[in-house]
Amino acid sequence: GAVVSQHPSRVICKSGTSVKIECRSLDFQATTMFWYRQFPKQSLMLMATSNEGSKATYEQGVEKDKFLINHASLTLSTLTVTSAHPEDSSFYICSASQGVTGIVWNTEAFFGQGTRLTVV
Amino acid sequence: GQQVMQIPQYQHVQEGEDFTTYCNSSTTLSNIQWYKQRPGGHPVFLIQLVKSGEVKKQKRLTFQFGEAKKNSSLHITATQTTDVGTYFCAGTGNNRKLIWGLGTSLAVNP
Repeated sequence: GAVVSQHPSRVICKSGTSVKIECRSLDFQATTMFWYRQFPKQSLMLMATSNEGSKATYEQGVEKDKFLINHASLTLSTLTVTSAHPEDSSFYICSASQGVTGIVWNTEAFFGQGTRLTVV
Repeated sequence: GQQVMQIPQYQHVQEGEDFTTYCNSSTTLSNIQWYKQRPGGHPVFLIQLVKSGEVKKQKRLTFQFGEAKKNSSLHITATQTTDVGTYFCAGTGNNRKLIWGLGTSLAVNP
C-alpha cells in the first residue's frame, strides 16, 4: 500500500507553545488529507479535511484558529496546535486519500504513524 | 447525520475461538472499508467492499457487505494472539466522506 509519513511521532511541549505536525504522502499524490484525534481506547475523531490549495473544512466543535491546517502541496499537509494546553494532549493521526482517479472516487485512507502530543 | 454503529465494543475470546464484529449504517454506503489498529499503532487498511452482497476472504478473515449496502461484518476464524487489536469499519457516505465506526477491541487469551 501507499506510504504516509507523519512527523514527529512524539512531542512534549510546554503549555502556551505551538506544535507543528507534518504529514507527507511519499509515493502518491494526496488530493485530500484528513486529520484525526484519538483518545485512549476510543475511535478516530475527524477534526478536519484539507484539499490541496484550498482552506481546510473543520468538523463541528473544532476550533480552526487553534488547529491550523495547511495543505500547500499534493504531498504535504501540516497541523499546528497553537497555544497548546494540557487538554490538547492526545494522539493525532493524519491520513491521505487519492480522491478522484479517473471516474472513481477512491476513499481508501492511508494513515501516518500518528503523533503523541503531551502538553505539560 | 449519517452514522455507522459497530458492535460489540469489546470482545474477549480464547485463542482458537471465532470472532465477529458488525457494522450497521443509517444510510446506504458507496463502499465499506475495514481497518485494524494494533495497540499503540495506527489504523492499517485491510479491505474494501463495494458491491452489494460482496464477500471477500483473507486467510482466516471473512468480510461481508450486505445486500442493501447498509451493513457489514468481519469474521475471524480460529483467532490467534496476533489478531489482538481494534477493528474499525468505515463507510463512504453520500457526501463522499468516510464515516467511522467506534471500533471493536479484540483481546485473545493464549
